[in-house]
Amino acid sequence: GAVVSQHPSWVICKSGTSVKIECRSLDFQATTMFWYRQFPKQSLMLMATSNEGSKATYEQGVEKDKFLINHASLTLSTLTVTSAHPEDSSFYICSARGGGTSVSAYNEQFFGPGTRLTVL
Amino acid sequence: EDKVVQSPLSLVVHEGDTVTLNCSYEVTNFRSLLWYKQEKKAPTFLFMLTSSGIEKKSGRLSSILDKKELFSILNITATQTGDSAVYLCGGAGSYQLTFGKGTKLSVIP
Repeated sequence: GAVVSQHPSWVICKSGTSVKIECRSLDFQATTMFWYRQFPKQSLMLMATSNEGSKATYEQGVEKDKFLINHASLTLSTLTVTSAHPEDSSFYICSARGGGTSVSAYNEQFFGPGTRLTVL
Repeated sequence: EDKVVQSPLSLVVHEGDTVTLNCSYEVTNFRSLLWYKQEKKAPTFLFMLTSSGIEKKSGRLSSILDKKELFSILNITATQTGDSAVYLCGGAGSYQLTFGKGTKLSVIP
């Protein structure tokens, strides 16, 4: 299957600093990348969807000025948590979807390993 | 608003038992139903179901979709401790996946 990597896997930062998380599709071109966050014992919550070369679409309640998403190439998307606060501490997961018009290509998302963010 | 509901939320069984995990969905412009297994990190893909009544199998795991009742089940036979995980069900609409809260399965020796 397709491989998606995330970096870093784990980050601790001080309140008020910004953190950048990278999501890369290693062996396929990802036309669309999704960013999720997951709080302990809860399900994945979609934060935003980004298509290569265009602005991200944010879900209701997600501050786009706080969670900056850039999808500058077909293999890389970045999520920057600006001025992070303790309540931003969470598990952030990206997923990537390739191109194609078949149901399989459209719907199957490949997940990265996730990034654990802890804000002190 | 799309909704996916999984039950039970938590399940504890002994090794060798068979379990059935449930997923009901209400998804606009439904395209497919996906099952994922999540251990300590990100989810890993198990099945994608698009047609009613066609069972998909992978080893001891199997899943089936009922598009009339808007329902899917995931069966695991002869459970092993390595099956302990959270199993997520996601409904794919025209644009995105909506996940349920997951079923936490614990298999004890």
